[in-house]
Amino acid sequence: DAGVIQSPRHEVTEMGQEVTLRCKPISGHNSLFWYRQTMMRGLELLIYFNNNVPIDDSGMPEDRFSAKMPNASFSTLKIQPSEPRDSAVYFCASSSLRGKTSTDTQYFGPGTRLTVL
Amino acid sequence: AQKVTQAQTEISVVEKEDVTLDCVYETRDTTYYLFWYKQPPSGELVFLIRRNSFDEQNEISGRYSWNFQKSTSSFNFTITASQVVDSAVYFCALSEEGGGNKLTFGTGTQLKVEL
Repeated sequence: DAGVIQSPRHEVTEMGQEVTLRCKPISGHNSLFWYRQTMMRGLELLIYFNNNVPIDDSGMPEDRFSAKMPNASFSTLKIQPSEPRDSAVYFCASSSLRGKTSTDTQYFGPGTRLTVL
Repeated sequence: AQKVTQAQTEISVVEKEDVTLDCVYETRDTTYYLFWYKQPPSGELVFLIRRNSFDEQNEISGRYSWNFQKSTSSFNFTITASQVVDSAVYFCALSEEGGGNKLTFGTGTQLKVEL
């Protein structure tokens, strides 16, 4: 079975440009998470979806960040406009949510390394 | 609020030594889940183990073992006879029942295994 797929793996862009990161969760998983990893702040949860519905976006740093999940097999994280401080590795993870509260293991994609010049 | 503390920032050992990575957690929930992930130099996050709060049995998987003690709120990870390939950052994480699958990560422990 394929794991979580993220694209692109590396992105270099200039300040002010729009950046779109993509994620395909593991088939059958109904929870999807976006994380950001930096040296200063470690691993931070940005937003997560259950059954394609955003549940908690309190980790999204500001309005420049937005995330969508139009269907069970695809999600995007968009930054517009991008800034140098957005440079980080962005991970997508997926898991199965059993019922409303049961916790299952999150499996991570390979990450997208974003560099904003 | 939930919190995970990995006090060891970096550990260096010589190959074949045993090494223990510490993890201390805080939660008010009675039902919760603890995880360890490995992040090798290539950057991906690899799931190692998941343990729920009602299962205090220690687990062994090859050279890896985990010691879960609710009395001290600790979930420590031991690598026996370490190898160079074990060099990575190891993260401990916590998820609360009713927390909607949200993971809170520790800051990670960088393990360097040298020849």
